[in-house]
Parts: sequence; structure tokens; C-alpha cells
Amino acid sequence: KAGVTQTPRYLIKTRGQQVTLSCSPISGHRSVSWYQQTPGQGLQFLFEYFSETQRNKGNFPGRFSGRQFSNSRSEMNVSTLELGDSALYLCASSDYYEQYFGPGTRLTVT
Amino acid sequence: TQLLEQSPQFLSIQEGENLTVYCNSSSVFSSLQWYRQEPGEGPVLLVTVVTGGEVKKLKRLTFQFGDARKDSSLHITAAQPGDTGLYLCAGEGSGYALNFGKGTSLLVTP
Repeated sequence: KAGVTQTPRYLIKTRGQQVTLSCSPISGHRSVSWYQQTPGQGLQFLFEYFSETQRNKGNFPGRFSGRQFSNSRSEMNVSTLELGDSALYLCASSDYYEQYFGPGTRLTVT
Repeated sequence: TQLLEQSPQFLSIQEGENLTVYCNSSSVFSSLQWYRQEPGEGPVLLVTVVTGGEVKKLKRLTFQFGDARKDSSLHITAAQPGDTGLYLCAGEGSGYALNFGKGTSLLVTP
């Protein structure tokens, strides 16, 4: 089976802009979770989707949003980017409680 | 939030040495997962431990889940440069999120 894919791998944006990141889960997996990883805070949970419904949300401002499509692919959006949003954004797909991560999207906000 | 504390934070050893990293919490987890992450990549699942007192082996890596299911350890025998990476433990949080420790950064030099 192909693994989790994320696009793009690298992204540079300017403060105030918005960005959309994409994730394709492992075939057959219906749950997709998103995490933000920074050196200071480590991996922090953003949100989780299952069958196009958000089941859980982490403690992030409303500028962070996501959605899931009928084919289980997911996108996350960050609006009004801030310097502190610079991070590695990781997507994970799951068929039960084990999560399998993609390579991440490295977002740099200047 | 169920916090996971990992120690040590950094570890630098020479090839052939043994090491142990720890993952501790005041909360009980139904399962704990260990991941290894290399720079610029997503975490790769190594093992899931479910039963208190459980010991799992993966080649030179030995994982143990505490009897009370509040802590876990990872022991590497005869470390090799290929073991270099960030080792993360994770347990289930609220809903379907994973709570991660901040990780142990391991460097194995030839």
C-alpha cells in the first residue's frame, strides 16, 4: 500500500497570507489527523476527521481549519499567517488507534 | 491533557553502546506508541504496547510498558549510527488525538 502523501513538501509564505495544505491518507483509512510540530512545543494535535466530519479539535485559534472529502483526502487551511505558524505540519491516517504519518509540509512564514 | 514526559531530552553516544529512554506520565493509558523521526520527515511507528508489563522486541530495540500502564521505556542494544533520530512516545488523548512527549534526540557516532 502507498503511504500517506502530503503536498506541498515545502512552502514559504508572507505574514497575513493564507495557505492550504493537502493530505492523501493510506488507501482504506477513513481517519485523518493533523499535527503541528515546532522545536519548542513538539507535536501538537490540530484536528481529526472521519468520514468528512471533524470529530476532535485541538487548542488552536480559529485561523486553523480543515476539511475532509468523500475520498478521505483532507486539507487544512491557515488564514492570516503569523510568524509563529512556521512549523512542520504533519498529517496522519489511521484505521484504528495506530496512526501513520506523512512526510509533512514545512511551512515558513516570513 | 494527559502529559507525557520523556527523558533524557538529548543523548549522544558512540556506536556499540547501550541506552535506555523513558516515557512517564501520571495518567493511565490504554496503549502507548513509540515513533522514530528523522530530520525533515514524519514520525515512523515502531511499536504499540497495550498490556501492562508487556515487553516487545524489534531487533535490537526492546520496548516495555509499565505494570500500571503509566510509563514505558525503550532500550537499544549496541546502538548503530542508523539509530540516530528523534524518539517519540505517544498515548491517546481526548477523542481520537494522540498526545506526544517532546521526544529524545539520539545521536550515535561511529
